[in-house]
Amino acid sequence: QQQVKQSPQSLIVQKGGISIINCAYENTAFDYFPWYQQFPGKGPALLIAIRPDVSEKKEGRFTISFNKSAKQFSLHIMDSQPGDSATYFCAASILGFQKLVFGTGTRLLVSP
Amino acid sequence: EPEVTQTPSHQVTQMGQEVILRCVPISNHLYFYWYRQILGQKVEFLVSFYNNEISEKSEIFDDQFSVERPDGSNFTLKIRSTKLEDSAMYFCASSRRQGASGELFFGEGSRLTVL
Repeated sequence: QQQVKQSPQSLIVQKGGISIINCAYENTAFDYFPWYQQFPGKGPALLIAIRPDVSEKKEGRFTISFNKSAKQFSLHIMDSQPGDSATYFCAASILGFQKLVFGTGTRLLVSP
Repeated sequence: EPEVTQTPSHQVTQMGQEVILRCVPISNHLYFYWYRQILGQKVEFLVSFYNNEISEKSEIFDDQFSVERPDGSNFTLKIRSTKLEDSAMYFCASSRRQGASGELFFGEGSRLTVL
């Protein structure tokens, strides 16, 4: 019940295209859903996060869509660029607790 | 921009040896964490630390693991007797606040290889 399932495992997108990564969770107590971006040899860095009181959050080219009833959330990267090539992790936690539960990661390659 | 720094970047050790991984969190942060990532797998929570004590730990964080904040700047993870399955990238993280408003900042990691 603590798991966060993430798909796809890898994704290849043409430059300028839309990258979509999906996550699903079971624990309804989760109420904070961040996305992390990780470049090779680096630690994960927070990209964007959402709480379940909104269905969408947009920051620049990055959008989180959240479906509370389906217990799913997704990351959309608009106008994908080669510099977006990285591994993306979704995560979830319970406010007031400090443990982030990460998804299994999606390796995104944006081809020029 | 302030950052979390970790040392060493890579350590190779023999099975059964003790290892200490060091971290310098961001200076005004109050919450400290260790996560690990086995090669090609997801990032897993190990432990969180606040006010000089463990606030939460995972089932991975057994008696072989310990954490310490020996002074005002360092935060360490000790593995007493390493096993082959401890081979992983270990990430230190810190946050200024708890919960959703407390963004976690991760270091670049310490790669541990146990032979």
